[in-house]
Amino acid sequence: GEDVEQSLFLSVREGDSSVINCTYTDSSSTYLYWYKQEPGAGLQLLTYIFSNMDMKQDQRLTVLLNKKDKHLSLRIADTQTGDSAIYFCADPDGDTGRRALTFGSGTRLQVQP
Amino acid sequence: DTAVSQTPKYLVTQMGNDKSIKCEQNLGHDTMYWYKQDSKKFLKIMFSYNNKELIINETVPNRFSPKSPDKAHLNLHINSLELGDSAVYFCASSRLPQETQYFGPGTRLLVL
Repeated sequence: GEDVEQSLFLSVREGDSSVINCTYTDSSSTYLYWYKQEPGAGLQLLTYIFSNMDMKQDQRLTVLLNKKDKHLSLRIADTQTGDSAIYFCADPDGDTGRRALTFGSGTRLQVQP
Repeated sequence: DTAVSQTPKYLVTQMGNDKSIKCEQNLGHDTMYWYKQDSKKFLKIMFSYNNKELIINETVPNRFSPKSPDKAHLNLHINSLELGDSAVYFCASSRLPQETQYFGPGTRLLVL
């Protein structure tokens, strides 16, 4: 089945850039997603990228997609303490009739003041 | 103007009890999902309904029974609760099965 992997923890200083990496195995998806989960909260859709794109920029967020290596990354510029959260990479798997999301384990981002 | 809502937000109950979690979406979406997040934050699909029809039923104990009375609602009923059922349960919806999923705030279930 589908496998999505992320590193578990990242610590950065406020104002630095954060880069969260993800690898996946199912290359048939049309979109790949990043979700954010703040402590005690639900899952917030952060951004997504079409599979035919290499890069997508949205304010402080930059998503890079390397389809050949099946590697997705999320860069947060000028990281703030409010960015401290768990970030999940997600890949829809299965055929177009199902498309449940397979999530990575989540990367816990800690931003130090 | 809540998009995907779940009730209750917290649920504390004893082993062996039966409980239900409700989910409603006002986005006009056709597809709804239940995911389970365990204590290590791993998220896994449990069920999915499209137009009130079950389309995904992962390896979940049959003590868990989803019910979709209409396209806007997907409820989760759990019989004979066990300690291992303690988790956060997330409901989600999407316009179509292959489109972006939007999540509810989660229901934190603790079985004592």
